[in-house]
Amino acid sequence: SQQGEEDPQALSIQEGENATMNCSYKTSINNLQWYRQNSGRGLVHLILIRSNEREKHSGRLRVTLDTSKKSSSLLITASRAADTASYFCATAGSARQLTFGSGTQLTVLP
Amino acid sequence: NAGVTQTPKFQVLKTGQSMTLQCAQDMNHNSMYWYRQDPGMGLRLIYYSASEGTTDKGEVPNGYNVSRLNKREFSLRLESAAPSQTSVYFCASSPGYYDEQFFGPGTRLTVL
Repeated sequence: SQQGEEDPQALSIQEGENATMNCSYKTSINNLQWYRQNSGRGLVHLILIRSNEREKHSGRLRVTLDTSKKSSSLLITASRAADTASYFCATAGSARQLTFGSGTQLTVLP
Repeated sequence: NAGVTQTPKFQVLKTGQSMTLQCAQDMNHNSMYWYRQDPGMGLRLIYYSASEGTTDKGEVPNGYNVSRLNKREFSLRLESAAPSQTSVYFCASSPGYYDEQFFGPGTRLTVL
């Protein structure tokens, strides 16, 4: 079963706008990770946030984590057409594996 | 460094045929994984190997077997393919099982 659930399932924005995606999960975690998948390609790791961290930045990406609400958000600022992809959250919990959500399809219109 | 490589890239099988998907990584990672991805869905873990010499079932192991041949290689075998196994298969590796994972390009498998 999927641990992380992304919201929304699909998001369409104009180039230059910010994109926010949310992830909710059910059990305690060691860390939460975000991945990007371009069409027909493998997943690429974007950022990892540990359970004792609340916010993390990497370039135009900002990730927040609220362990009390069991939720995370990924913000992409000043989006570009090249950001068009599917974005997945994945949780690392007590099992020795990641559990992926079903993803958010982001479309950035030029 | 090639990262994670998978062979083949595409494969068409008939129901009942068998095949092995190959995966290799050159990053000296301890952990390796096999996932399947169906249209519009996230990844579902089939099997994983937390370290060389160990393998464990994931969420959807039925119909599959794996072999961690050495630290570099982790193969996935379909003994008797079924149409329900039509999917895109991804191999991944990570330094440890809580770390970021590095993915291969995937194998698109169709079972007729």
